[in-house]
Amino acid sequence: QKEVEQNSGPLSVPEGAIASLNCTYSDRGSQSFFWYRQYSGKSPELIMFIYSNGDKEDGRFTAQLNKASQYVSLLIRDSQPSDSATYLCAVNTGFQKLVFGTGTRLLVSP
Amino acid sequence: ETGVTQTPRHLVMGMTNKKSLKCEQHLGHNAMYWYKQSAKKPLELMFVYSLEERVENNSVPSRFSPECPNSSHLFLHLHTLQPEDSALYLCASSQDKTGAGETQYFGPGTRLLVL
Repeated sequence: QKEVEQNSGPLSVPEGAIASLNCTYSDRGSQSFFWYRQYSGKSPELIMFIYSNGDKEDGRFTAQLNKASQYVSLLIRDSQPSDSATYLCAVNTGFQKLVFGTGTRLLVSP
Repeated sequence: ETGVTQTPRHLVMGMTNKKSLKCEQHLGHNAMYWYKQSAKKPLELMFVYSLEERVENNSVPSRFSPECPNSSHLFLHLHTLQPEDSALYLCASSQDKTGAGETQYFGPGTRLLVL
């Protein structure tokens, strides 16, 4: 069983729509959760992190965490073509151990 | 720019070569990481150094040898690699904290091709 699962996509949304990216994880002891964005040929860059159940908003991005369901999601409001990238979910499963999903490719069409 | 630099950015090497990848962080962090990213696979953690001491070695073949001379520099020495080692090698750093963990910041990566 994969530790962190994401749908590989591509997830296609029109410009201006809400993109919803989902991630599930297997380790119930995980305490912190991260979303990274990776453009083709580039390295991952942090979008946001979340530690507590509920929602955390930062600009057009909202991370949602449900530890009981072992589920974390990222919502992107007013999606732009520049948001087209692969979004990586990462889960901290222990001291300095970050486990990544394979990523969801997002395509935002003008 | 994240404050983490890597050199070289691209590397082509034969299976009998010896080369080294270099990573430097300018963030005042005290933990550094090497990851491997292959196509269609998640990022694989290779090594973790905390306060210049190796704390994680994820069953990486001995043809990969890390070195951390101080908290700002990390090297990955490569020797007799195989074509399947071709990948993007990413360095990251974070501030060493217990508990919930700390955000890792990535360098631009080294794209390695082994012929």
